[in-house]
Amino acid sequence: NAGVTQTPKFQVLKTGQSMTLQCAQDMNHNSMYWYRQDPGMGLRLIYYSASEGTTDKGEVPNGYNVSRLNKREFSLRLESAAPSQTSVYFCASRLAGSTPYEQYFGPGTRLTVT
Amino acid sequence: GNSVTQMEGPVTLSEEAFLTINCTYTATGYPSLFWYVQYPGEGLQLLLKATKADDKGSNKGFEATYRKETTSFHLEKGSVQVSDSAVYFCALSENTGNQFYFGTGTSLTVIP
Repeated sequence: NAGVTQTPKFQVLKTGQSMTLQCAQDMNHNSMYWYRQDPGMGLRLIYYSASEGTTDKGEVPNGYNVSRLNKREFSLRLESAAPSQTSVYFCASRLAGSTPYEQYFGPGTRLTVT
Repeated sequence: GNSVTQMEGPVTLSEEAFLTINCTYTATGYPSLFWYVQYPGEGLQLLLKATKADDKGSNKGFEATYRKETTSFHLEKGSVQVSDSAVYFCALSENTGNQFYFGTGTSLTVIP
């Protein structure tokens, strides 16, 4: 049982390049999330998917797109990377329902845009 | 709206000292409250949670009580260890919603 996995762990991009961050969970969770973590700002929600087939914007969606490929996988795409997108990106998942189950986090992707 | 406010860090304590990290929240409904811990280079891990007023969450010697009257969920530990050095995040989730709201995190360093 691997939990939430993310690839890659590290990435360096030049301004204007594109890339996709991959996330997968093997816990049969309904909901999946993408956050970015910046110093002094905590975690900010980029996009989330409440269930397979749905996606919604979070607090900071500009410059990103997401795809909920199936129940297990939720990818985050940067179409044209900018230095302001230098950050650590975390994927999370949880079992949605009447009880607010906790989120489970992946190990993160450290992205640098030069 | 929903929000979480944590005490500013960083916090530096000597081993075996008492720890308190303050957390207050604003919520439109009846949230559940969480404390997460992040060790260097890792993702966040759930430390403890409480789902209704007056509940006490506890784990690994850490405790937090859900106080509705003061809208608070302060984290405490009676005797910290060097291994407790990490960043601690307070969070809330509405019972009927999908989103989590995180505080900005409090960095704790415990020195021998």
